[in-house]
Amino acid sequence: GAGVSQSPRYKVTKRGQDVALRCDPISGHVSLYWYRQALGQGPEFLTYFNYEAQQDKSGLPNDRFSAERPEGSISTLTIQRTEQRDSAMYRCASSLSSAPNGYTFGSGTRLTVV
Amino acid sequence: AQSVSQHNHHVILSEAASLELGCNYSYGGTVNLFWYVQYPGQHLQLLLKYFSGDPLVKGIKGFEAEFIKSKFSFNLRKPSVQWSDTAEYFCAVNSGGYQKVTFGTGTKLQVIP
Repeated sequence: GAGVSQSPRYKVTKRGQDVALRCDPISGHVSLYWYRQALGQGPEFLTYFNYEAQQDKSGLPNDRFSAERPEGSISTLTIQRTEQRDSAMYRCASSLSSAPNGYTFGSGTRLTVV
Repeated sequence: AQSVSQHNHHVILSEAASLELGCNYSYGGTVNLFWYVQYPGQHLQLLLKYFSGDPLVKGIKGFEAEFIKSKFSFNLRKPSVQWSDTAEYFCAVNSGGYQKVTFGTGTKLQVIP
């Protein structure tokens, strides 16, 4: 597509439910990144992929968080047993190559856990 | 580990005033530096970037940033701001050997007509 597409734009879920956030990067982009942004903070790194390989997941807060990119294109960030502290904007970005030339961000998914 | 500090959390300026937003990073080796901007209701966009060469980098919409290695700084400047520059600005760093980019906490700029 023309840009990075994230869905849903907004997600309200009850505590304890699982959620799956989707990111469709720009076609042909090798690298895909997930960030989380709490109110008043900058984007916080979660994980990234080159093609289908997850290269670094050091930013995932705990084992309730996981991500995959099985075919090297669309990625899903899954949060199991959601907690209120998981409420944040989840941002996906992609880049044409693994070289850090600058990201193209999507519009984000606003997750609210009630 | 790489980290970024942005000193100003909220800046209010009148139109035509000059702008300088501070950014310091903490990594002694080779770095790539970025400024991103988020306009109200929009997604994060790349404003400018520095990899090597001329330490004075020019970006879109009249913005520029200067890399001063000795001060570990990458301040963003604009000689004359406009109301349309109202946005949140994020400094970011990527240090040698790491692919991920670390962002600062952001500076909200409000330009008063």
